[in-house]
Amino acid sequence: AQRVTQPEKLLSVFKGAPVELKCNYSYSGSPELFWYVQYSRQRLQLLLRHISRESIKGFTADLNKGETSFHLKKPFAQEEDSAMYYCALVSGGYNKLIFGAGTRLAVHP
Amino acid sequence: GAGVSQSPSNKVTEKGKDVELRCDPISGHTALYWYRQRLGQGLEFLIYFQGNSAPDKSGLPSDRFSAERTGESVSTLTIQRTQQEDSAVYLCASSLSWTGVANTGELFFGEGSRLTVL
Repeated sequence: AQRVTQPEKLLSVFKGAPVELKCNYSYSGSPELFWYVQYSRQRLQLLLRHISRESIKGFTADLNKGETSFHLKKPFAQEEDSAMYYCALVSGGYNKLIFGAGTRLAVHP
Repeated sequence: GAGVSQSPSNKVTEKGKDVELRCDPISGHTALYWYRQRLGQGLEFLIYFQGNSAPDKSGLPSDRFSAERTGESVSTLTIQRTQQEDSAVYLCASSLSWTGVANTGELFFGEGSRLTVL
């Protein structure tokens, strides 16, 4: 069965520290993976997708098929990065996104 | 409108009552999704509509849950005989791509309807 696991409910760091939000998946085919973010009092929105190989707001994520991981990284965290982060996987049939439980990132001054 | 609109934003009901939640997708978006988010948990897929195709109802947790969509416009999620475990935030999202998410991966979410069943 397709599944997305985010092992950390809360990640707390200081401003300027590196950040890594973990995401592991189980999927039998070639996965399409995404990171979504929800800032306080805002809607859930797309942050980045692995097929685009993009860096958004300093965040990057590399798909590691061997480890079935898609960790989100940023070398220097900023206070405005504080938010809920969800890893998501496109399920078979390309008609639904399966989300992980989410990780709350708290960046302290 | 500018984004996906959901109503009501908050609904408190008594166990056993029926509730209806509404979603107005972004104009022109052919795909529409309903997710449920229980406290402290991830987003749980409920149902997906794509144009005039038969909806994917594989995520509906029981026959008390149903959803309708008229063409490519408004959708309503109905929960009959509500139970306390139905308490959650119900999120609606819409997508431009006719294939759903395969081409873009971008779902546009509403602010959600928070349902509390007493």
